[in-house]
Amino acid sequence: AQSVTQPDIHITVSEGASLELRCNYSYGATPYLFWYVQSPGQGLQLLLKYFSGDTLVQGIKGFEAEFKRSQSSFNLRKPSVHWSDAAEYFCAVGAGTSGTYKYIFGTGTRLKVLA
Amino acid sequence: KAGVTQTPRYLIKTRGQQVTLSCSPISGHRSVSWYQQTPGQGLQFLFEYFSETQRNKGNFPGRFSGRQFSNSRSEMNVSTLELGDSALYLCASSLEYGKLFFGSGTQLSVL
Repeated sequence: AQSVTQPDIHITVSEGASLELRCNYSYGATPYLFWYVQSPGQGLQLLLKYFSGDTLVQGIKGFEAEFKRSQSSFNLRKPSVHWSDAAEYFCAVGAGTSGTYKYIFGTGTRLKVLA
Repeated sequence: KAGVTQTPRYLIKTRGQQVTLSCSPISGHRSVSWYQQTPGQGLQFLFEYFSETQRNKGNFPGRFSGRQFSNSRSEMNVSTLELGDSALYLCASSLEYGKLFFGSGTQLSVL
């Protein structure tokens, strides 16, 4: 069965520090992978997605993620965190066949940024 | 362009009642999906509709149902509410695969 694991429930970093949020997936075929962010009081927003090709994907707000098939991972990174990055981050995998995909989300990682 | 609109924003119901939640997608988006969000569980997929047809369904009991109208607006219904149904229910619409646009959600509390 398809699944997504985000092992870190909470992460705290200082403003200006680098960030890496972990995501591991389980899926038999080539996965479609996504990162979404949910800021307080706002809906979820797509940060970036991986379908194929270059395994290093650039997203919005200075985020990037690297797909590593051998490790079944799709970790999210940012070189320098800003206070406005405090939010909850969700990794997701697209599962299914053409036209009938559904998304399986991880349980989320809540990021706290210290001034 | 207006975003995804969900109504109502908050709902308080008692056990055994039923509830209907509404979602208006972004204009032109024909795919609408629903998710249940609870602390520690993340987002659980409920179902997805495309052009009035349910294309995919998650692992929820039959008390959870939905439909989509010809204008792509969607409703989700939960019958015989249980305490465990308390959650944030999110609706998302999409035009292309992978890019979901989420509404702010309906916060349902079951007492």
